[in-house]
Amino acid sequence: DTEVTQTPKHLVMGMTNKKSLKCEQHMGHRAMYWYKQKAKKPPELMFVYSYEKLSINESVPSRFSPECPNSSLLNLHLHALQPEDSALYLCASSQDRGEKLFFGSGTQLSVL
Amino acid sequence: GNSVTQMEGPVTLSEEAFLTINCTYTATGYPSLFWYVQYPGEGLQLLLKATKADDKGSNKGFEATYRKETTSFHLEKGSVQVSDSAVYFCALSGLNTGFQKLVFGTGTRLLVSP
Repeated sequence: DTEVTQTPKHLVMGMTNKKSLKCEQHMGHRAMYWYKQKAKKPPELMFVYSYEKLSINESVPSRFSPECPNSSLLNLHLHALQPEDSALYLCASSQDRGEKLFFGSGTQLSVL
Repeated sequence: GNSVTQMEGPVTLSEEAFLTINCTYTATGYPSLFWYVQYPGEGLQLLLKATKADDKGSNKGFEATYRKETTSFHLEKGSVQVSDSAVYFCALSGLNTGFQKLVFGTGTRLLVSP
């Protein structure tokens, strides 16, 4: 299994809603990543987890809250988002200190 | 800081034409270089990579050579197909705290017509 699975594929939420994005991989990878990609722009790193601990936070606003409950799962909790947070959110994983990232197909988020 | 510059798109070609997408980089140290491809509605897939100067990455008929002297990593393919239509991202990584931290270029959209 070489897949990174993200759910849901599409999400529409209001600015007062709380929602969560989910990501799962069963490749035994110990590093997991959240990227944000605005339309026609490159992906930008948000968070990196290693061995279920947060290693990198790229100064992301606190309305985005990541969680890694175990080595196969990565969540991104969303609260009080702004319309400018509308984007494709990509999850990725890699072997510990490895250089190849495996990306999921993303969650297309729209904030109204 | 590290950065990647790619040629503006879209690049529009006919099937079986020769493809070049230019990529240059600025980095401290000796980064690894990558090309990722994103098909419509999908995430990114690693296309090829090179980890040191003069390395050539290749996959599915695509090639790119790590040129340290010109800080370039241009993507080439001898004969494109309609199925190659996608957005191509050049990227570099330096290990930051032991983990790959990719810096992407802005992406180049390739459109191949029959």
